[in-house]
Amino acid sequence: GQNIDQPTEMTATEGAIVQINCTYQTSGFNGLFWYQQHAGEAPTFLSYNVLDGLEEKGRFSSFLSRSKGYSYLLLKELPMKDSASYLCAFSDSNYQLIWGAGTKLIIKP
Amino acid sequence: IAGITQAPTSQILAAGRRMTLRCTQDMRHNAMYWYRQDLGLGLRLIHYSNTAGTTGKGEVPDGYSVSRANTDDFPLTLASAVPSQTSVYFCASSDSAEGNQPQHFGDGTRLSIL
Repeated sequence: GQNIDQPTEMTATEGAIVQINCTYQTSGFNGLFWYQQHAGEAPTFLSYNVLDGLEEKGRFSSFLSRSKGYSYLLLKELPMKDSASYLCAFSDSNYQLIWGAGTKLIIKP
Repeated sequence: IAGITQAPTSQILAAGRRMTLRCTQDMRHNAMYWYRQDLGLGLRLIHYSNTAGTTGKGEVPDGYSVSRANTDDFPLTLASAVPSQTSVYFCASSDSAEGNQPQHFGDGTRLSIL
C-alpha cells in the first residue's frame, strides 16, 4: 500500500530554524514535493526532490532519502509570515500525487 | 496575470441539487486536476486530465464528473449533491502529467451542502 505521514502541528520561535519531517511508503516513486498553504489560501509550490540529498533554495532547504522513505523541509530565520501549513506529497508510479495531511507551523515572537 | 481561476469562490447548496464548479487556466498546461481538501486529511484527487480530450478517475471520483473539451477549461460537476461533499475544492494544473512538474493551484471553492 501507499501512505505518507507528517506531524500535525509544530511550534517555533521567530528567527529560529525548524525542521518538518515527512515519511512515506510506496512501491513506485517519482519524486517528493513540498508546498506551503496559508490558512484559507491555495497551496503554493516550495520544492521538489527526486534524487537523494539536500536541495537549498534561499531560506528553504529540502532533503530526501529514498532508501529510508524520508524527507524533511528546513526553514531558516523564521519570519512570522512563515506561519502556515506545510504539505508534503510524493508522486507515485502513476504520476499522481499522494498528499500528507499537512503540518501546521505556529511561529511565536 | 497568468494562473488558474475558479468560480464560484463559495457556495451553499441544497442536497440533491446539481452544481458545476468552473476552472480555467491560461498557462497552456497540459494536465489538470480536481482535489478536495477536508480537515485532518490530505488533498484527495477526484479526477484528472493528462491532456485535452482525456480524463481519468482519482482516489475519490464517486458522485463527480469532469470534462476536458479544450486545454483551458476543466469543469467539475456534482450531479446530485450530498452533505458528505461539503469541502474545499481546488483545481490545479501542471505543464506535464509526468509527475515531476509542480502543480499550480486555483484559490479554491468552498462548498457547503445542506
